[in-house]
Amino acid sequence: AQTVTQSQPEMSVQEAETVTLSCTYDTSESDYYLFWYKQPPSRQMILVIRQEAYKQQNATENRFSVNFQKAAKSFSLKISDSQLGDAAMYFCAYRSNTGNQFYFGTGTSLTVIP
Amino acid sequence: DAGITQSPRHKVTETGTPVTLRCHQTENHRYMYWYRQDPGHGLRLIHYSYGVKDTDKGEVSDGYSVSRSKTEDFLLTLESATSSQTSVYFCAISAGTGSNQPQHFGDGTRLSIL
Repeated sequence: AQTVTQSQPEMSVQEAETVTLSCTYDTSESDYYLFWYKQPPSRQMILVIRQEAYKQQNATENRFSVNFQKAAKSFSLKISDSQLGDAAMYFCAYRSNTGNQFYFGTGTSLTVIP
Repeated sequence: DAGITQSPRHKVTETGTPVTLRCHQTENHRYMYWYRQDPGHGLRLIHYSYGVKDTDKGEVSDGYSVSRSKTEDFLLTLESATSSQTSVYFCAISAGTGSNQPQHFGDGTRLSIL
């Protein structure tokens, strides 16, 4: 089974500043997909951004962007101009191109300081 | 938002009693999943289904069974609940493999076993 590691259990950022959440994964496959999910206190799981491994260009969604380093098996999430509503638990997830399962990290709890 | 409904949203029960959680989708997606979420563990896969009557075990399947008699419904059963099964349970759906389709999640069921 693939392993997804989020080494930062907790992070904090000042409002309007930038923060980067780290994620690494272990796989022997060359084709796969990576995702970041946000879980606010409401408990909903919300897709933030996705990245296809075959794409060299890093994905961007408004204030959210990723730094995808395939050789290093690293997939970090950058949040720019942090807002109070960004406070949540963030999960990194991996999906094989051929498999049915998704593998999740243990999450990073992000606090936004006004 | 993806049409996924979990029921019940909250449940309190006693050790040794059977419990069934229901997940209903209106998206006609092939894949359905049950996860449990516990502090420090992220999301762990219990069971998943890749079609009607087709299911497979995840990493924490002991003490749980599932059934899928219709595309839209995926049931998770705790035959004899134990306190270690106190958790938040999430259902998720996905369109299929070989694509960048993410999982979409229900709102979760908070299950307390006393």
